[in-house]
Amino acid sequence: KNQVEQSPQSLIILEGKNCTLQCNYTVSPFSNLRWYKQDTGRGPVSLTIMTFSENTKSNGRYTATLDADTKQSSLHITASQLSDSASYICVVSDYNAGNMLTFGGGTRLMVKP
Amino acid sequence: KAGVTQTPRYLIKTRGQQVTLSCSPISGHRSVSWYQQTPGQGLQFLFEYFSETQRNKGNFPGRFSGRQFSNSRSEMNVSTLELGDSALYLCASSREGTSGRSDTQYFGPGTRLTVL
Repeated sequence: KNQVEQSPQSLIILEGKNCTLQCNYTVSPFSNLRWYKQDTGRGPVSLTIMTFSENTKSNGRYTATLDADTKQSSLHITASQLSDSASYICVVSDYNAGNMLTFGGGTRLMVKP
Repeated sequence: KAGVTQTPRYLIKTRGQQVTLSCSPISGHRSVSWYQQTPGQGLQFLFEYFSETQRNKGNFPGRFSGRQFSNSRSEMNVSTLELGDSALYLCASSREGTSGRSDTQYFGPGTRLTVL
């Protein structure tokens, strides 16, 4: 069964600090790996999309990395802001299953002043 | 450019009833996917429609069904509602859908369904 595990489940950091969120997956081969940000009560917003041949992708202060050999991805947030407080969800698309999406449980990030 | 819209935003039903949720994708997007989000299970994929055809389906019972119209608008129907169907139902649209290897999905705000 495909699995996407994220860690930590929750994280509290001070404004201005950096943080890294982890995503481990078993989906193989995969078409793409996505990171989403979801504010409370709202739909997810796409941050990055990476195919298996890419190992890094940036979107402003967000940088995602991918190691297809170890089946790990990370999302690094630089100089955190209060507005970064949200859930971050890692999603992997299964190439052999019609690109079925498997979602991680998310990391809930809280940025404090 | 208008975003993905979902109606209604909130819905309260009782067990045994049925419900229909609606999703209007971004103009030009042919793929609409539906997801269920609960605190316990997180986000789970329900199904994807592309050009009026169901292209992918998640592991949900047959009580969950959907359809897509020629203008790409999509509806999701849940029959014989159960307490466990209480959730946030999200739809997302994209140009190519999940077969697009780097196709961005845009999510709507969701419909919050409460089953009493």
